[in-house]
Amino acid sequence: NAGVTQTPKFQVLKTGQSMTLQCAQDMNHNSMYWYRQDPGMGLRLIYYSASEGTTDKGEVPNGYNVSRLNKREFSLRLESAAPSQTSVYFCASRRTGVGYGYTFGSGTRLTVV
Amino acid sequence: EDQVTQSPEALRLQEGESSSLNCSYTVSGLRGLFWYRQDPGKGPEFLFTLYSAGEEKEKERLKATLTKKESFLHITAPKPEDSATYLCAARSNYGGSQGNLIFGKGTKLSVKP
Repeated sequence: NAGVTQTPKFQVLKTGQSMTLQCAQDMNHNSMYWYRQDPGMGLRLIYYSASEGTTDKGEVPNGYNVSRLNKREFSLRLESAAPSQTSVYFCASRRTGVGYGYTFGSGTRLTVV
Repeated sequence: EDQVTQSPEALRLQEGESSSLNCSYTVSGLRGLFWYRQDPGKGPEFLFTLYSAGEEKEKERLKATLTKKESFLHITAPKPEDSATYLCAARSNYGGSQGNLIFGKGTKLSVKP
C-alpha cells in the first residue's frame, strides 16, 4: 500500500508564480485534508474535503484553492505565490468513523523567493 | 477558542531514562485525543486515539493516558530510535469542523545513547 502520495517533494517558486500540489490516496478514504507546517506554528489546516464533491475552508485558506478531483485525488493550488507561503505542505486522508486517525503523506517542501 | 498546548517544547533524555510529555487541551466536546510521531522530513505517523478520561493505551515503550484536561505520553526506558517530534491533536464535537483535528506544536524528543 502506498498510502498517501504527494508530488512534488520539493519546489522553488518565484513570487507571483502559480503551481499545483498533487495528492492521491489509495485507501478508499472519504475525507482528505491539506495542512501547512511552519516552525513554531505547528500544523494548520488550509482546506479539507469531507467527501468527494465537497470542499471547505480551514484555518488558513487565503491564497489557496483546492479541487477534489475524485475520491482518490485532492489538489492544492497557489495562484500567485508569496514568500509567506514558504512552508512544508502535508496532505492527509481519513476513513469515516469515530476514532480513525489521519494518514499523512511525506510532504512537499515549498520555497517562494 | 479550542486550543492544544504541548510541553516541554524539547526534551533530552539519556537512554533508559523514563519521562513524560504533556498535552493540555481546551476543546468544546472532546471527540478524541490523538498522538502522532513525526520524524525529520516525514509526515506525522499515527500512534494512539483516546476518548474518555481514565483511558490508557500502550505501544512498545509508549503509554498514553487521558484526563479531563490533559493527556500524557509516558516513555519508559527510551532508546535512541524513539527520538522524534511527538504531536498531540484534539477533535472537537462542534460541527462544521467535520472532525478536523487541532494540533499542538509538538515536543521534540532526543534520546542519547
